[in-house]
Amino acid sequence: DAGVTQSPTHLIKTRGQHVTLRCSPISGHKSVSWYQQVLGQGPQFIFQYYEKEERGRGNFPDRFSARQFPNYSSELNVNALLLGDSALYLCASKQGSTDTQYFGPGTRLTVL
Amino acid sequence: GENVEQHPSTLSVQEGDSAVIKCTYSDSASNYFPWYKQELGKRPQLIIDIRSNVGEKKDQRIAVTLNKTAKHFSLHITETQPEDSAVYFCAAHRGNTGTASKLTFGTGTRLQVTL
Repeated sequence: DAGVTQSPTHLIKTRGQHVTLRCSPISGHKSVSWYQQVLGQGPQFIFQYYEKEERGRGNFPDRFSARQFPNYSSELNVNALLLGDSALYLCASKQGSTDTQYFGPGTRLTVL
Repeated sequence: GENVEQHPSTLSVQEGDSAVIKCTYSDSASNYFPWYKQELGKRPQLIIDIRSNVGEKKDQRIAVTLNKTAKHFSLHITETQPEDSAVYFCAAHRGNTGTASKLTFGTGTRLQVTL
């Protein structure tokens, strides 16, 4: 089985721009979570979606939004990019009945 | 909300020695505690996890212990090898509450295994 996949791998944007990151969960997993990992720190929870509904939101501004599609893939959108948004954005999926989350390779976002 | 503290931030051991990483958590309702290994430029990979109804779990050279009363848990790696060099993260979570899946991570421990 394929693991969690994310696209793109790397992205360079300038301040004020908008970005969309994509995630495909492991087949059969209906839950997708997004995390931001700033260099040298642990991942910070942004959002969780389960069965296309938002089930959790971390302490991030409204510039961050997400959605989940009928095939359980997900998008993370960030508007009005700031330099501080530069980070590795990780997606994780899990089955609804278990706790174990599996991470994708991440999207490295650089904001100039 | 949950807060997870992790120590030490860096750890250097000689090959063959043991390594111990410790974490404390604040939310007594947390009941699932995974450990992830992250190599440079790679995704976090689950190496072991423990639930609050268990005090210890072992998988070959890796073990995790949990003290619910003190709200701390530890990762033990025995007979360390150079390929164990990586950043290790602990995390805590209220497991499977309405299918919620928010993990709160520690700040990471950079383990270096020297020859």
